[in-house]
Amino acid sequence: SQQGEEDPQALSIQEGENATMNCSYKTSINNLQWYRQNSGRGLVHLILIRSNEREKHSGRLRVTLDTSKKSSSLLITASRAADTASYFCATDGTGFQKLVFGTGTRLLVSP
Amino acid sequence: DAGVTQSPTHLIKTRGQQVTLRCSPKSGHDTVSWYQQALGQGPQFIFQYYEEEERQRGNFPDRFSGHQFPNYSSELNVNALLLGDSALYLCASREIGSSNEQFFGPGTRLTVL
Repeated sequence: SQQGEEDPQALSIQEGENATMNCSYKTSINNLQWYRQNSGRGLVHLILIRSNEREKHSGRLRVTLDTSKKSSSLLITASRAADTASYFCATDGTGFQKLVFGTGTRLLVSP
Repeated sequence: DAGVTQSPTHLIKTRGQQVTLRCSPKSGHDTVSWYQQALGQGPQFIFQYYEEEERQRGNFPDRFSGHQFPNYSSELNVNALLLGDSALYLCASREIGSSNEQFFGPGTRLTVL
């Protein structure tokens, strides 16, 4: 079963706009990660945030984590058509390395 | 440096058949995990191998089995295929003791008719 939900399920924006995706999860976590998937192929790791961190940046990506609300958000700034993909959050619990994925957000960035 | 590789890319089988999928981890990685991703869903954890042993297993029946070889490569076997086994099967590798960033292969698309 999925760990939680991503919101929205689908997002359509224009190039240059910002895209925000949210992830909620159910149990205590060790880390939370975001992955991108193009056209149903392999997942590409974007960023990892530890449970004791609140915010992390990587290039045009900004991730926040609120463990009290069991939620995270991924912000992509100045989006490009190449950002079109599905985005998944994944959590791992303390002592385990398996990743539990959310349901994903499908992002469409139009030129 | 090759990343995670998987073979075959696509596979078509009929119900009741058996299938073997293969994965080679990223160089320097010793832990391999397998995930099943149904259409429109997030990946679901099948099992993880380290030191040639299954270390953790998800909620999958015994029809799903695996193996890890001394060179860290891995196989996923599925017996008595069902229509519901049609999915993208993803392999991921990581280095034990590192952060849990996992590197995924391109996947094998299995279609069961």
